[in-house]
Amino acid sequence: GENVEQHPSTLSVQEGDSAVIKCTYSDSASNYFPWYKQELGKGPQLIIDIRSNVGEKKDQRIAVTLNKTAKHFSLHITETQPEDSAVYFCAASRSQGGSEKLVFGKGMKLTVNP
Amino acid sequence: DVKVTQSSRYLVKRTGEKVFLECVQDMDHENMFWYRQDPGLGLRLIYFSYDVKMKEKGDIPEGYSVSREKKERFSLILESASTNQTSMYLCASSLLDRANTQYFGPGTRLTVL
Repeated sequence: GENVEQHPSTLSVQEGDSAVIKCTYSDSASNYFPWYKQELGKGPQLIIDIRSNVGEKKDQRIAVTLNKTAKHFSLHITETQPEDSAVYFCAASRSQGGSEKLVFGKGMKLTVNP
Repeated sequence: DVKVTQSSRYLVKRTGEKVFLECVQDMDHENMFWYRQDPGLGLRLIYFSYDVKMKEKGDIPEGYSVSREKKERFSLILESASTNQTSMYLCASSLLDRANTQYFGPGTRLTVL
């Protein structure tokens, strides 16, 4: 089955710096990769997703890149702000719909210091 | 906005008790999911349902059961709670054709003494 590895497990940056979270996956058939942000005391919230027919996707200060050959994908946050502090989860699945399950990484705690 | 609510934010139960965790979504989603979240282990799928009265086992169903009598409500049942079921429980929902674009509730932190 699919295995998603996420690293680093923690990251601390200064406000205004960039942060990069990297994930690798094992199933070459995976083609849908969402990212979730979990703030303290809340459930995970979808922040961006990418399908395998796209190499990069941006939404304001966040972007996700996908390298299908190497089977890794990354979340990039630019101009970090204290409200970006949260746990971020990557995930992978063979499809966005249907019966294929979503497999999550173990999460990365990002701390943005003012 | 999709809203997924869970009946309790915090719950304390004793070993051997029967525990019900309730989840309600208001967006007419076909799919509903129960995960548990533990430090260092991420999110693990317990059960999911893609229709009323339908259920499928996830990766860690042992010690749990579920009930979906209405489309908007999905219940997780711990028949006889044990200390190793102390965890954060997260409910999620999604559309049938976008099963893996999931919307999560705030979670229930369950402590079993």
